[in-house]
Amino acid sequence: AQSVTQLGSHVSVSEGALVLLRCNYSSSVPPYLFWYVQYPNQGLQLLLKYTSAATLVKGINGFEAEFKKSETSFHLTKPSAHMSDAAEYFCAVSDGSGGSNYKLTFGKGTLLTVNP
Amino acid sequence: DTEVTQTPKHLVMGMTNKKSLKCEQHMGHRAMYWYKQKAKKPPELMFVYSYEKLSINESVPSRFSPECPNSSLLNLHLHALQPEDSALYLCASSQEGLTNTGELFFGEGSRLTVL
Repeated sequence: AQSVTQLGSHVSVSEGALVLLRCNYSSSVPPYLFWYVQYPNQGLQLLLKYTSAATLVKGINGFEAEFKKSETSFHLTKPSAHMSDAAEYFCAVSDGSGGSNYKLTFGKGTLLTVNP
Repeated sequence: DTEVTQTPKHLVMGMTNKKSLKCEQHMGHRAMYWYKQKAKKPPELMFVYSYEKLSINESVPSRFSPECPNSSLLNLHLHALQPEDSALYLCASSQEGLTNTGELFFGEGSRLTVL
């Protein structure tokens, strides 16, 4: 069974500081990994995805994530936080086993707060 | 702007009411999903329609009844709900069906309150 662990339910950074949101996964097969962002009272928007191509994945809004198989990690980073980055971030995994790649398993989410 | 449109954005209903949530996408996607999200929690999968057929039901109570009239529309019929069913209901779609390897596109959700 696949699972995702997001370390830290709440991360607070200053505007302009580095953003690092941690995600570790567990999957018996090579996974597909995603980061989604959810702004208050809105749906989820895809930030970036890893689907076994390049291990360093660039997404929207200046975010990127690196797939590290040896560490089973897929941490999300952004060099300089902006006030508009304040939101809930979800890491998700889909293992695609048996072709059943429909089901995303979400982490519990990390709330990012950006302080002026 | 989201390409998955959900209506209504807010719904308040009593436990004896019958109501429906609607979802529409015009991206030509072949799979559509209903997720339930409680406050401060991740989304939980409820149903998956693939090529207009109900493919996955994650043991959802029968008071929730999904319907897919065509490839662009997805409904969730609600009847005799309980207060604990109050949540944000998210619709999503994906280009492929159950073999999807790409992303899910989410709507903004319908916030349901059951009194």
